[in-house]
Amino acid sequence: NAGVTQTPKFRILKIGQSMTLQCAQDMNHNYMYWYRQDPGMGLKLIYYSVGAGITDKGEVPNGYNVSRSTTEDFPLRLELAAPSQTSVYFCASTKDGNTEAFFGQGTRLTVV
Amino acid sequence: RKEVEQDPGPFNVPEGATVAFNCTYSNSASQSFFWYRQDCRKEPKLLMSVYSSGNEDGRFTAQLNRASQYISLLIRDSKLSDSATYLCVVRIPQDGYALNFGKGTSLLVTP
Repeated sequence: NAGVTQTPKFRILKIGQSMTLQCAQDMNHNYMYWYRQDPGMGLKLIYYSVGAGITDKGEVPNGYNVSRSTTEDFPLRLELAAPSQTSVYFCASTKDGNTEAFFGQGTRLTVV
Repeated sequence: RKEVEQDPGPFNVPEGATVAFNCTYSNSASQSFFWYRQDCRKEPKLLMSVYSSGNEDGRFTAQLNRASQYISLLIRDSKLSDSATYLCVVRIPQDGYALNFGKGTSLLVTP
């Protein structure tokens, strides 16, 4: 049981490049979330999904897109990377609306 | 967006000390509450859930006061390994029951 797996762990992008951050969970959780964490700040919600085929914007969605074609996978797409997207990205999943969340190990992204 | 507020610290305490962290939340619809621990910007890991009746797990005790919208965490007999950032987390029935995070309280336990 791997839990939540994120790849890559680190990435450096040039301004204007695109990339996809991968997130997969093997716990059959319906709820999945993408957060970003900037130094000295709390985690901010980018996008969320309450089940396969259902996604919606969180607090800071600009510059990102997501898809949820399966229960297991919830990739985050960055189009036209900008320096403001330099951050640590965490994917999380929960069984339902009340229980604890499990987090991936994070992706540390630098845009130069 | 409703907020979760924590004292950022840092709290510097000697080994063996007792330390308490407080957290307030502003959304009265909040329905589940947690303390997470985060080390050096690694992923947050669940420390404990927080229940209305209060709960204890070894050296850690969590309390919830729904009327005051206040959550606390008490750590007794602090260990060097307790040094970390403690995140107060609240789930509300919006945004897919997303977790709302405080900015965290930094704890450093010294020899």
